[in-house]
Amino acid sequence: AQKVTQAQTEISVVEKEDVTLDCVYETRDTTYYLFWYKQPPSGELVFLIRRNSFDEQNEISGRYSWNFQKSTSSFNFTITASQVVDSAVYFCALSEVDTDKLIFGTGTRLQVFP
Amino acid sequence: DSGVTQTPKHLITATGQRVTLRCSPRSGDLSVYWYQQSLDQGLQFLIQYYNGEERAKGNILERFSAQQFPDLHSELNLSSLELGDSALYFCASLAGEGDEQFFGPGTRLTVL
Repeated sequence: AQKVTQAQTEISVVEKEDVTLDCVYETRDTTYYLFWYKQPPSGELVFLIRRNSFDEQNEISGRYSWNFQKSTSSFNFTITASQVVDSAVYFCALSEVDTDKLIFGTGTRLQVFP
Repeated sequence: DSGVTQTPKHLITATGQRVTLRCSPRSGDLSVYWYQQSLDQGLQFLIQYYNGEERAKGNILERFSAQQFPDLHSELNLSSLELGDSALYFCASLAGEGDEQFFGPGTRLTVL
């Protein structure tokens, strides 16, 4: 069965600290997609990144970076020099090949204090 | 703004009642997904429609049903509501296979 595990329920950091959010997934599919979404206090789900299973290149977008390792079935997300506006719940998700439905992890609540 | 709209934003109703949540996908997107976010179950996939046809079903209760209309908007019908149905219901649309889903702002349902 497909599963996404985000073991960190809540992380608190002080502004400017770097923080890494862990994501481990399980799937039998050889082709799959992984995603990160952000849910700020306002409640909407904001898309951050998509990665397909054949592309293990790490990606950097400003202060955000993602490390995809198929060998450990992990897709970790790092925020460099965190800011208060980064405070949110972050979800990692895996999509099912035939339907593209998303299987979400339980989320990690990140609190960044000034 | 994701381009996906959902109405209403908030809904407060009583147990036993029936409600309809509405979603309009992004222009051109044929796939619509419904998800439920609750404290105890997290974010769970309910059902998917593609161009008017049901494509996939998740942990959707028999009291819940959905449809997608010719203009591609979708409605999620929840009946015989129970306290445990209180949740945030999201709709998302998808442009193509493997693409990211764009989520609407959600409808917060409170059952009293």
